[in-house]
Amino acid sequence: SQKIEQNSEALNIQEGKTATLTCNYTNYSPAYLQWYRQDPGRGPVFLLLIRENEKEKRKERLKVTFDTTLKQSLFHITASQPADSATYLCALATGRRALTFGSGTRLQVQP
Amino acid sequence: DTAVSQTPKYLVTQMGNDKSIKCEQNLGHDTMYWYKQDSKKFLKIMFSYNNKELIINETVPNRFSPKSPDKAHLNLHINSLELGDSAVYFCASSRRDQRTDTQYFGPGTRLTVL
Repeated sequence: SQKIEQNSEALNIQEGKTATLTCNYTNYSPAYLQWYRQDPGRGPVFLLLIRENEKEKRKERLKVTFDTTLKQSLFHITASQPADSATYLCALATGRRALTFGSGTRLQVQP
Repeated sequence: DTAVSQTPKYLVTQMGNDKSIKCEQNLGHDTMYWYKQDSKKFLKIMFSYNNKELIINETVPNRFSPKSPDKAHLNLHINSLELGDSAVYFCASSRRDQRTDTQYFGPGTRLTVL
């Protein structure tokens, strides 16, 4: 069966460190993968998209990698800040004009 | 200006009632979606409409009926509400010609069935 797995445990890090979140998938061959941020009580907000032929994408302090052989994407936040605390969701294009989302990883950045 | 808006934000109701949630987007998008996010935070697609035409209809009880009066609106009507329907429902929109299905989400409607 198709699965998207993200660390269900919360990730706690100190301010200024790099946060690394993982998204693993099985039985998909997505054309692209997206990352979203969700704050409590709000809808997810799009952050970054990476295509299958791209290894890495950057936007300010964010970096995403995509390894289609390992079927894994890593999401990095460098110089993390307390304001980065949120749940981060990965989402795959599954060819049906809709996205399939992982359950998200909650990131807590301690001041 | 709110890009994707939903009403109401909170909905508390009794089992067996019928309720509706409304969604509007002012982004000029042609595709709209309903997602359900359960207590474990899984976000699951329920329906998708493109230019008022239903294109995705996941395995959802037929008590749930979406309606799209025009490209900017997608409403969700739920009949005979059950306890298991309690969740947060998100509306989203995207532009089909972008070919990336990047979703723009509304703020969500928290439905509690008592």
